[in-house]
Amino acid sequence: KQEVTQIPAALSVPEGENLVLNCSFTDSAIYNLQWFRQDPGKGLTSLLLIQSSQREQTSGRLNASLDKSSGRSTLYIAASQPGDSATYLCAVKEDSGGSNYKLTFGKGTLLTVNP
Amino acid sequence: EPEVTQTPSHQVTQMGQEVILRCVPISNHLYFYWYRQILGQKVEFLVSFYNNEISEKSEIFDDQFSVERPDGSNFTLKIRSTKLEDSAMYFCASSPRDSNQPQHFGDGTRLSIL
Repeated sequence: KQEVTQIPAALSVPEGENLVLNCSFTDSAIYNLQWFRQDPGKGLTSLLLIQSSQREQTSGRLNASLDKSSGRSTLYIAASQPGDSATYLCAVKEDSGGSNYKLTFGKGTLLTVNP
Repeated sequence: EPEVTQTPSHQVTQMGQEVILRCVPISNHLYFYWYRQILGQKVEFLVSFYNNEISEKSEIFDDQFSVERPDGSNFTLKIRSTKLEDSAMYFCASSPRDSNQPQHFGDGTRLSIL
């Protein structure tokens, strides 16, 4: 059964700092990995999607990497801003060979960027 | 940009009552999902729906739950006889034809069972 773990559970940094969030998964047979942002009481906003054949994806100040064989992904946020404060979730879509397209989520990293 | 919309944003229901959560997926998407998040816990998969039938469901999705796409735009989750432990945030998601496209989530419905 796929398990997704995110560390750290919480992270507090001063504005302007570069930071890395970590995600690991137990079964490397994945279609893709998706990073989301969740603001308090809100839905999930998709940030980046990395296909299983890719090593990294970039969007603005965000860069996500994927090492499928070791079951790891990182989300790098450059020059953090207070507006980046949110919970960041990692989710994997598994390749079971059928129509199984569900996402398995980690518990998230709560990021606080202090002005 | 097209969005997944969910109604209501907050639903308060007495234990034992039926509740229907509504979702309008993005119009050209073909795969639909329900997930839930109990306060302080992970987002959990409930059910996926494609071509007018359930393609997969989790062990959480027991006989008390059902899904329906009653017309070309709505996708609903019904809980027949709610329990206290059904209190959670329920998220609807959709994705396009290609399974390698991202899933897009709505803002969720907060369900509170009294």
